[in-house]
Amino acid sequence: AQSVSQHNHHVILSEAASLELGCNYSYGGTVNLFWYVQYPGQHLQLLLKYFSGDPLVKGIKGFEAEFIKSKFSFNLRKPSVQWSDTAEYFCAVRTNAGKSTFGDGTTLTVKP
Amino acid sequence: GAGVSQSPRYKVAKRGQDVALRCDPISGHVSLFWYQQALGQGPEFLTYFQNEAQLDKSGLPSDRFFAERPEGSVSTLKIQRTQQEDSAVYLCASSEPRRSATNEKLFFGSGTQLSVL
Repeated sequence: AQSVSQHNHHVILSEAASLELGCNYSYGGTVNLFWYVQYPGQHLQLLLKYFSGDPLVKGIKGFEAEFIKSKFSFNLRKPSVQWSDTAEYFCAVRTNAGKSTFGDGTTLTVKP
Repeated sequence: GAGVSQSPRYKVAKRGQDVALRCDPISGHVSLFWYQQALGQGPEFLTYFQNEAQLDKSGLPSDRFFAERPEGSVSTLKIQRTQQEDSAVYLCASSEPRRSATNEKLFFGSGTQLSVL
């Protein structure tokens, strides 16, 4: 069975700092990869996804993620965070047409 | 409505009580998923429907958990004889027909927070 590991449980940054959230998965076959975000008081929503092609994926609000197959990683990055990026971030892996497996999430707090 | 709707938003149950949680997916969405999210953890898969067919129920933790989607739209997750360890947020998500792999993503509801006392 696949599993997803997010290295940081809680990250605190000041505005304009750069962000990188780690995500590693365990599965040897073809994967679809996702980052979801949950803003305070809101539901989970898709930030970006990777299915195939260019391993550098760009999402909404200036986020990007890079799929490195040899490292089984899909790290999320943003060059300059804003206070409004304060949220919980979940990495997810899907290996078939059905269920996705989620990591335990990283809480990002951006100080103004 | 525009999004996935779940009700009730909050549910408090006494241990041993049966509960039913409802999910209204986005109209036309073929796939429907239930997830359980415990405090401080990510969503854990429970079960998956494609239209009215339950294609995967491998994540249901015990036979006290039962889900149905009889007409391929609204789904109900039922938990019988609730236990304290059932306390969690239950999330429903739906996705549109798979026209191409790049179109498929999950749309989540706000969840039902279940507290078993």
